[in-house]
Amino acid sequence: GEDVEQSLFLSVREGDSSVINCTYTDSSSTYLYWYKQEPGAGLQLLTYIFSNMDMKQDQRLTVLLNKKDKHLSLRIADTQTGDSAIYFCAVSPPGGSYIPTFGRGTSLIVHP
Amino acid sequence: NAGVTQTPKFQVLKTGQSMTLQCAQDMNHEYMSWYRQDPGMGLRLIHYSVGAGITDQGEVPNGYNVSRSTTEDFPLRLLSAAPSQTSVYFCASRSSGDYEQYFGPGTRLTVT
Repeated sequence: GEDVEQSLFLSVREGDSSVINCTYTDSSSTYLYWYKQEPGAGLQLLTYIFSNMDMKQDQRLTVLLNKKDKHLSLRIADTQTGDSAIYFCAVSPPGGSYIPTFGRGTSLIVHP
Repeated sequence: NAGVTQTPKFQVLKTGQSMTLQCAQDMNHEYMSWYRQDPGMGLRLIHYSVGAGITDQGEVPNGYNVSRSTTEDFPLRLLSAAPSQTSVYFCASRSSGDYEQYFGPGTRLTVT
């Protein structure tokens, strides 16, 4: 089955950019997501990208997809203390159910 | 529109006890899923349903039962709780025409 890998921790200073990386194994993965989990809460979809795209930008968020290397990244510009959370990469195959496989999550810690 | 609701928020069980974790959504979503979240393990799919009367197993189904008698509800049953089932449980739902999963706030379960 699909395997999704992320590093577990990332620490940045407020105002710097954060880059969270994710690799996956199934080259047929069609839908790729980034979810955010704040302490004590469920997951919220932050952004997603389709496999026919290389990049997606949404305000401070930039998603880059390298299909050849099966690598997905999330860049947060001007990181704020409110961005401190766990960020999950998730990928799903083509087909109706779109059941995603989640990575283990990256804890982003933003220092003032 | 309450979204996805889960009850209870917290639960402590003794080994061998049974209980049902409730999940309901008011968005008329066809797809519903149960995940467990363990430290450093990310989210793992337990069971999912693509519509009323249809359920299927995910990655870690052992020790859990589900049923889907209505579109709105998707309860998760633990028949004989074990300490290994200590976890945070999330329910999620999605429309068949959408890519975003909506997550509930979670149930924190401790089995002693």
